[in-house]
Amino acid sequence: DVVLTQTPPTLSATIGQSVSISCRSSQSLLDSDGDTYLNWLLQRPGQSPQLLIYSVSNLESGVPNRFSGSGSETDFTLKISGVEAEDLGVYYCMQATHAPLTFGSGTKLEIK
Amino acid sequence: EVQLVESGGGLVKPGSSLKLSCVASGFTFSSYGMHWIRQAPKKGLEWIALIYYDSSNKYYADSVKGRFTISRDNSKNTLYLEMNSLRSEDTAMYYCAKWVMDAWGQGASVTVSS
Repeated sequence: DVVLTQTPPTLSATIGQSVSISCRSSQSLLDSDGDTYLNWLLQRPGQSPQLLIYSVSNLESGVPNRFSGSGSETDFTLKISGVEAEDLGVYYCMQATHAPLTFGSGTKLEIK
Repeated sequence: EVQLVESGGGLVKPGSSLKLSCVASGFTFSSYGMHWIRQAPKKGLEWIALIYYDSSNKYYADSVKGRFTISRDNSKNTLYLEMNSLRSEDTAMYYCAKWVMDAWGQGASVTVSS
């Protein structure tokens, strides 16, 4: 199974600060169809996860553009440019290139 | 508005069975594959099953293969997860999610305990 390693496990940020979360894969996530199925999700406290970014860098509809994704093959990054209070929660990367689908262990974002 | 609503969770004893349902609305259910994903208390997310839009293919995580069965009824816009031989380690919140994970239900809580 593909292992996704997220760092850091926890992140503390002030409002307006920019932060990045890393997701490293044990295998290349480039699919034979040319797409890379690496997504980012946010789970706010007490809520279901929601999709933020799909296929590395595509912003899901309705998600603020302070969120951005980048990377390729095995190294991926989620960046939040100007953290807001509503951004607190646990961020997960997940891959759908290889079966079974797998998730990273999560990065908890706390607001100082 | 896309909505997914799970039901059927509860407290059951080890070795027993339970069937979860997920009713979909706001999109053409019959056109999309669907997932079940679970989250043990204070833990991360674990994908457990996928069914294609037409039920032609079904996939399972090793942790539930042979015990859980995913199915769907497109005429009822409903996804199911039949869980047999339940174990304490199956205790979790169970979410249904749309094909590319762009919609999730609120979750159904399953507790397996004697």
